[in-house]
Amino acid sequence: DIQMTQSPSSLSASVGDRVTITCRASQDIRNDLGWYQQKPGEAPRRLIFAASTLRSGISSRFSGSGSGTEFTLTISNLQPEDFATYYCLQHSSFPPLTFGGGTKVEIK
Amino acid sequence: VQLVESGGGLVQPGGSLRLSCVASGFASSNYAMTWVRQAPGKGLEWVSGISGSGDITHYADSVKGRFTISRDNSKNTLFLQMSSLRVEDTAVYYCAKDPDFWSGQLPDYWGQGTLVTVSS
Repeated sequence: DIQMTQSPSSLSASVGDRVTITCRASQDIRNDLGWYQQKPGEAPRRLIFAASTLRSGISSRFSGSGSGTEFTLTISNLQPEDFATYYCLQHSSFPPLTFGGGTKVEIK
Repeated sequence: VQLVESGGGLVQPGGSLRLSCVASGFASSNYAMTWVRQAPGKGLEWVSGISGSGDITHYADSVKGRFTISRDNSKNTLFLQMSSLRVEDTAVYYCAKDPDFWSGQLPDYWGQGTLVTVSS
């Protein structure tokens, strides 16, 4: 199974900051990766698919990049509603789908 | 798109439970469906997936042989039959819609989840 290593596991940032979250795959997954946002008590929401394609309706402050084994989610101009936990998910080698461990973005 | 799960609750170790997920707002038979769970305070874990027609299913190793995914497209309902439940199966269980007929894609819509607690 492909393992997804996400870092950092948590970070503190201020409104207006630029934040970067990284996911590393244990083997080449091309661009078969998505990013999800989850707020406390809510279901996850898909932000990005195919590593860099922004889902319709998602703020352009979110961007994704990478291919192969290294992927990045960047949030520019962090807003209060962006404080949440973020997960990467690979679907290149299925089954199983495998999630990263999550990154909790907290207010500094 | 709306997904509404039900059937969660408290069950003893070794017991069984059936979760349901009613879908609306889309032609459910055209899309694969997925179950994902989240243990309290932990991350997300993929559990199972089923094709749009229901004839192809996949399971995580942690639940294989104990859980069965199925669907009734005439009722737009997805099921997860869980048996031989263990304490470590305690989690919120989410159903999610896939963007394609075949499993193995990135789920694009999620329900609000139903809590399963396995405890004596």
